[in-house]
Amino acid sequence: KAGVTQTPRYLIKTRGQQVTLSCSPISGHRSVSWYQQTPGQGLQFLFEYFSETQRNKGNFPGRFSGRQFSNSRSEMNVSTLELGDSALYLCASSSDRGSAHSPLHFGNGTRLTVT
Amino acid sequence: QKEVEQNSGPLSVPEGAIASLNCTYSDRGSQSFFWYRQYSGKSPELIMSIYSNGDKEDGRFTAQLNKASQYVSLLIRDSQPSDSATYLCAVKGGSNYKLTFGKGTLLTVNP
Repeated sequence: KAGVTQTPRYLIKTRGQQVTLSCSPISGHRSVSWYQQTPGQGLQFLFEYFSETQRNKGNFPGRFSGRQFSNSRSEMNVSTLELGDSALYLCASSSDRGSAHSPLHFGNGTRLTVT
Repeated sequence: QKEVEQNSGPLSVPEGAIASLNCTYSDRGSQSFFWYRQYSGKSPELIMSIYSNGDKEDGRFTAQLNKASQYVSLLIRDSQPSDSATYLCAVKGGSNYKLTFGKGTLLTVNP
């Protein structure tokens, strides 16, 4: 089974621009979560989607948004980029949103650098 | 109070020793507990999950859970240099199933 696929792997953007990151979950997985990872803050939860609905949201400003498509693929968008948005963005999928025991499986991440 | 807390580390152990990694959590309703390993520049990789009080063993790894004390730990026996990585504790909440991570403990195994 193919793992979680994130594109692109690396991005360099300028302050004020916007960016869209893409994630394809493991086949059959319907839940997709997004995390931001920085050296100082660790893994911070952004949001989780299940069956095209946002079920959970972290404490990030409205500049961070996401969506999920009917094939479970997900995108996240960051508008009006700030220098502090430079981070590794990780997407993870799990098999069953309804089960507390379903672990997350991570993609390789997108490294975003804002200059 | 932070939701999931881990030893700040770094933790350094000699090759062949037992490495002990600890984690506490604040949500008493938490149902699932996971340990992830993350090598530098890579994404987190699931190594253990535990749901019930007690010990769970998988090869050289043993996860221990004590829900009354809100404590979960990971023991790595016969530590190898290849075990050198950051170990992340993750806890899934009881109500919304959000997975919350600790900041991780950097483990270095010295040959």
